[in-house]
Amino acid sequence: AQSVAQPEDQVNVAEGNPLTVKCTYSVSGNPYLFWYVQYPNRGLQFLLKYITGDNLVKGSYGFEAEFNKSQTSFHLKKPSALVSDSALYFCAVRARMDSSYKLIFGSGTRLLVRP
Amino acid sequence: GAVVSQHPSRVICKSGTSVKIECRSLDFQATTMFWYRQFPKQSLMLMATSNEGSKATYEQGVEKDKFLINHASLTLSTLTVTSAHPEDSSFYICSARDDRFGRGNVEQYFGPGTRLTVT
Repeated sequence: AQSVAQPEDQVNVAEGNPLTVKCTYSVSGNPYLFWYVQYPNRGLQFLLKYITGDNLVKGSYGFEAEFNKSQTSFHLKKPSALVSDSALYFCAVRARMDSSYKLIFGSGTRLLVRP
Repeated sequence: GAVVSQHPSRVICKSGTSVKIECRSLDFQATTMFWYRQFPKQSLMLMATSNEGSKATYEQGVEKDKFLINHASLTLSTLTVTSAHPEDSSFYICSARDDRFGRGNVEQYFGPGTRLTVT
C-alpha cells in the first residue's frame, strides 16, 4: 500500500537549534515528495518538493529536505529554528491511484520552537 | 504565485440545513480541483476530485449525495454539504492544479480552508 509516515506527533526544539521533522514513504515508482506547513485555521503552504535531481532540496523560509532512496525517507530540516516556525508540518507523496495521481499525506508533526 | 481562495472562511449553520463552500483559482485555470476534510489534530483526507465539465470522483466512504460538488468553470468549484449534521463539522480545504503545466503537473495549490460548525 502506498503511504506516508511521520513517526513523531510533536517535535520540540529551542530557538537557534537545528530541527528535523521525519518522514518516510512507501510508493510504487519514482516518488514525488512534498512538505507543507499549516498554521492554525489556515490552509497548507508549500515548502518544498523533490521530483528528481539533487537529493538535497532547498525550500521556503530556510527549510531543506534530504531525499534518501535507500531509506525511503524525506526528512525536513532547518539549521536554526525560529519561534515563528512553530506550526503543523505535513509530508506528502504523489501516488498513482485509480488511474489518476493523488497526494497522500502523512499524519502531521507539530513543531514547537521554544524561545 | 498561484492563489486559491475559499469562501466563506468560517460558517455556522443549523442541523438540517445546507451549506455551500466556494473554491476559486484566482490567477490560473484549473480543470482539476480537490476537496479535503481535516479533523482536529489530524491529517487531510481526500474527499473527492472535482473535474470541470464532468462528474466529481469521490473517495471510498464519501457520500456523493451528501457532499455535492459542482465544477462549473475553470476557476470555480463548489462543495455543498447537504442536510448538515454536527458530525459534518470540520475544516474543509480545497486545492487546485494549474492547467498550464499539463496533466502531469505535480503541484497543487491549497486554499485557506473553511471552518464549518453545525449546531
